[in-house]
Amino acid sequence: DGGITQSPKYLFRKEGQNVTLSCEQNLNHDAMYWYRQDPGQGLRLIYYSQIVNDFQKGDIAEGYSVSREKKESFPLTVTSAQKNPTAFYLCASSSGQGPYEQYFGPGTRLTVT
Amino acid sequence: AQKVTQAQTEISVVEKEDVTLDCVYETRDTTYYLFWYKQPPSGELVFLIRRNSFDEQNEISGRYSWNFQKSTSSFNFTITASQVVDSAVYFCALSGYRDDKIIFGKGTRLHILP
Repeated sequence: DGGITQSPKYLFRKEGQNVTLSCEQNLNHDAMYWYRQDPGQGLRLIYYSQIVNDFQKGDIAEGYSVSREKKESFPLTVTSAQKNPTAFYLCASSSGQGPYEQYFGPGTRLTVT
Repeated sequence: AQKVTQAQTEISVVEKEDVTLDCVYETRDTTYYLFWYKQPPSGELVFLIRRNSFDEQNEISGRYSWNFQKSTSSFNFTITASQVVDSAVYFCALSGYRDDKIIFGKGTRLHILP
């Protein structure tokens, strides 16, 4: 089955540690996205990538980093510089930029204490 | 700047009632796309519909229907004969033709009471 996988579903870390969230897609989509969701805030774009080895900052990129070494993979690292990392993180992909619908993974709920 | 407003933060209706979720958008683009997504309790967003700005025909898919009105910059979503499984957060979203990202509204949490 084609789709997007994110692992793990739940992740717990101590404050000051970097943590990497996995996102893999087998839809052969060019574009991939990372969003953060907080209660009552909707979805906020962290980073996005339209092609391998290229990515752009979204609205809230500070404290996060990404890489896009393979078309199917777009991992997100939450660094210790991110002041409020506890949130629900969603990865998405689309066959093109902008007007194309995005398809989402199941999300990773990160808790940092 | 582009903006999507979902003024209804939370709605509760009794099962089998009809319910309409409002979405108002702002854009300076003449060509743009509107979307609706559903986020059930499991967390994964599910794509429901995409409409372009040149197609103002209403769309119906089973119990779901969408009313797009450019004159009022609205793209409302109606669920007919609601069911408990419709309980979710619903997001309206907007993208310009040349944009490389989608702008999401803050969502409306819908509770369908048995």
